Amino acid sequence: QQQVKQSPQSLIVQKGGISIINCAYENTAFDYFPWYQQFPGKGPALLIAIRPDVSEKKEGRFTISFNKSAKQFSLHIMDSQPGDSATYFCAGGGGFKTIFGAGTRLFVKA
Amino acid sequence: KAGVTQTPRYLIKTRGQQVTLSCSPISGHRSVSWYQQTPGQGLQFLFEYFSETQRNKGNFPGRFSGRQFSNSRSEMNVSTLELGDSALYLCASSAQGGANEKLFFGSGTQLSVL
Repeated sequence: QQQVKQSPQSLIVQKGGISIINCAYENTAFDYFPWYQQFPGKGPALLIAIRPDVSEKKEGRFTISFNKSAKQFSLHIMDSQPGDSATYFCAGGGGFKTIFGAGTRLFVKA
Repeated sequence: KAGVTQTPRYLIKTRGQQVTLSCSPISGHRSVSWYQQTPGQGLQFLFEYFSETQRNKGNFPGRFSGRQFSNSRSEMNVSTLELGDSALYLCASSAQGGANEKLFFGSGTQLSVL
């Protein structure tokens, strides 16, 4: 019941394209859904987060879409850039109760 | 504010040895969590400390231990190292460790066990 399932494992997108990463959760007690971005040699850093009472949140080129009834949420990166190449983790919950997805390695081709 | 600081950045040890990793959280943060990151297993939660007390623990053997000091700095210790302990060890801090708080991660300690 604690899992957060993330797909795909890896993703290659052309520069300017849309990157889409999907996650599904089981624990309906989660009320905070963050996405973390990790570059090689660095720790993850919060990218954007959403609460379940909102269906969409947009910050610049990054958008979270949230479907509470389906227990799914996704990250859309518009106009993907080579600098977006990183590993992305979705998660449910916060603080020490954060449950991370397995991660998606995104590579944006120039 | 300074970010989360982890030392050392890299460590090379041999099997059977022990190792201590250090983490200084963001000033004012009282919760420190530790994670093990490997390519195959993603981010695995080790334990969390709050006000010098271990509040939550992941599913790791007793060889993995930690502590937190009164200034919120934390250390993690791994005894009797095994090859499978090779990983990036990440420390994350948050103000209270609450259910809706974001985590602030350090850059990690890359441990290689030979």
